[in-house]
Amino acid sequence: GAGVSQSPSNKVTEKGKDVELRCDPISGHTALYWYRQSLGQGLEFLIYFQGNSAPDKSGLPSDRFSAERTGGSVSTLTIQRTQQEDSAVYLCASSLAGGETQYFGPGTRLLVL
Amino acid sequence: EDQVTQSPEALRLQEGESSSLNCSYTVSGLRGLFWYRQDPGKGPEFLFTLYSAGEEKEKERLKATLTKKESFLHITAPKPEDSATYLCAVPPGAGSYQLTFGKGTKLSVIP
Repeated sequence: GAGVSQSPSNKVTEKGKDVELRCDPISGHTALYWYRQSLGQGLEFLIYFQGNSAPDKSGLPSDRFSAERTGGSVSTLTIQRTQQEDSAVYLCASSLAGGETQYFGPGTRLLVL
Repeated sequence: EDQVTQSPEALRLQEGESSSLNCSYTVSGLRGLFWYRQDPGKGPEFLFTLYSAGEEKEKERLKATLTKKESFLHITAPKPEDSATYLCAVPPGAGSYQLTFGKGTKLSVIP
């Protein structure tokens, strides 16, 4: 009965470097979501995967952000050429299907120096 | 215009002092209103889903209610361990499965 797991839990990087954040959803959950939580801001939707369908990328803030989901399970969010404004907590959630209750992981805290 | 607005931003209560948090929403065709609790340094923890006006759900000292324009999270006789940020969220529109979140209410319960 493991929940959503994310790694790393913390990441410090230098401006201009690329970073990869990983999410392992709850087993059997077909829907996976990425959100970003910045200081003073609410949770902001980034991208949504449902099964083998094309992902909903409407929340990605720039083309430096991309995500993939391999084998319908693990997902990786990649941020290229990181900027200081990318510093935030990146949260992953999964649900049985789209529209069902979302269960969140603990997040990855990203700091760009 | 924000689709989800929570008030107050912060609330301090004495232990045992009951109160309510508000979440107002503007989406049409509501497909569920979700309440989460978030502790510092952790991800949001699911509390309740409400689907139709008049619906109520309870869990320990918490009760969530829903009208056509807003939801309330009532906290009865709170304890210090209820201190957290409470978030509400809705799907933003037809065909959208992600959630639009309010900025949250930070609750502090003082012993």
